[in-house]
Amino acid sequence: EAQVTQNPRYLITVTGKKLTVTCSQNMNHEYMSWYRQDPGLGLRQIYYSMNVEVTDKGDVPEGYKVSRKEKRNFPLILESPSPNQTSLYFCASSRQGVLGDTGELFFGEGSRLTVL
Amino acid sequence: KNEVEQSPQNLTAQEGEFITINCSYSVGISALHWLQQHPGGGIVSLFMLSSGKKKHGRLIATINIQEKHSSLHITASHPRDSAVYICALHGSGNTGKLIFGQGTTLQVKP
Repeated sequence: EAQVTQNPRYLITVTGKKLTVTCSQNMNHEYMSWYRQDPGLGLRQIYYSMNVEVTDKGDVPEGYKVSRKEKRNFPLILESPSPNQTSLYFCASSRQGVLGDTGELFFGEGSRLTVL
Repeated sequence: KNEVEQSPQNLTAQEGEFITINCSYSVGISALHWLQQHPGGGIVSLFMLSSGKKKHGRLIATINIQEKHSSLHITASHPRDSAVYICALHGSGNTGKLIFGQGTTLQVKP
């Protein structure tokens, strides 16, 4: 079954304690991306990756890191979480053709993060 | 001014009604997505458009590239269609960046 898997789904942590949210897809997609969703602000892109070892900033990258060492995985790293990073996080992937044509987006189920 | 504007922001309909949600944008695009999010739920892609029209069941999505406008239509609406509908677009200059509309909250009453 084609899917994007995020872990953990729920996490409560404290300020400054490093954490990683994993994202894995089984569709051999080139494109992967992270978003956060906040009430009144909607969805905002954090980072994206067009392929292995190629990552770039979205609209709200501050306080986050990513890496793309393998095609299937795109972890989101919070080196020193702060309360303003409390949010609902989504990972997504899609096919990305060499001409820049994009395919349907597949989203993970979301990870609800609370930073105290 | 936002690069992507959805209208209406909120919509209440009676079961069976025809519904239209609009998305206008001000940038050149390579593709536009329509997404659905149920309360407390995940996000599902309904359509990906770069031109023309697509249909899936009771849902129809259209895009007019020249007018920079897309619409999502729901025919014979049902309470299970109650959700937030979001348009999102890839700019033509940078296909990796995704710009989101603010979403339209739809409630369909029985």
